[in-house]
Amino acid sequence: DSGVTQTPKHLITATGQRVTLRCSPRSGDLSVYWYQQSLDQGLQFLIQYYNGEERAKGNILERFSAQQFPDLHSELNLSSLELGDSALYFCASSPTPGANYGYTFGSGTRLTVV
Amino acid sequence: QQQVKQSPQSLIVQKGGISIINCAYENTAFDYFPWYQQFPGKGPALLIAIRPDVSEKKEGRFTISFNKSAKQFSLHIMDSQPGDSATYFCAAIYTGTASKLTFGTGTRLQVTL
Repeated sequence: DSGVTQTPKHLITATGQRVTLRCSPRSGDLSVYWYQQSLDQGLQFLIQYYNGEERAKGNILERFSAQQFPDLHSELNLSSLELGDSALYFCASSPTPGANYGYTFGSGTRLTVV
Repeated sequence: QQQVKQSPQSLIVQKGGISIINCAYENTAFDYFPWYQQFPGKGPALLIAIRPDVSEKKEGRFTISFNKSAKQFSLHIMDSQPGDSATYFCAAIYTGTASKLTFGTGTRLQVTL
């Protein structure tokens, strides 16, 4: 157990729907990162939060949004889902942004859009 | 724009052999280079990391070699074991504010008996 908790583990939904993925960072970590992992795309950075504030954005689609709450958990909202959104979505956390001791990843949420 | 290039895409090594995975980066501001190991169905886990002021770091059977002038670094797995079969990602980060890890595309390692 890495200490980063992601729920749900698996999600199957239809095209056009909206889903919410949840992440609880490791205790003491203030920074949360979301990554998308597709078979042919590796780990793509989506968005980063630090202590409730958005700090960096990567290749995140406009249909996707995220937030970090006062208790530091984060949610990634995916709407108007398309088949191509099927992927593993990972949350990672670190004590501070740009930490020089790496990130701790959760086990991911596998999203299947049918 | 891919800032960290990783090769090979896949690698098959016999048990006891040496596995070598190479990465090259473009951004000279990067100052921390971790390697992650990912088993199927799991999230990436930090394996070993190096800073650019060091040319080599060894932890058990895992060694990072770093060439700052060439902007290249590599992971060597000595005495490779079937349990090392996993996907390995190199990564790089500038440890300033609002920075984030940039990953290579991954290498799927299979260690055969």
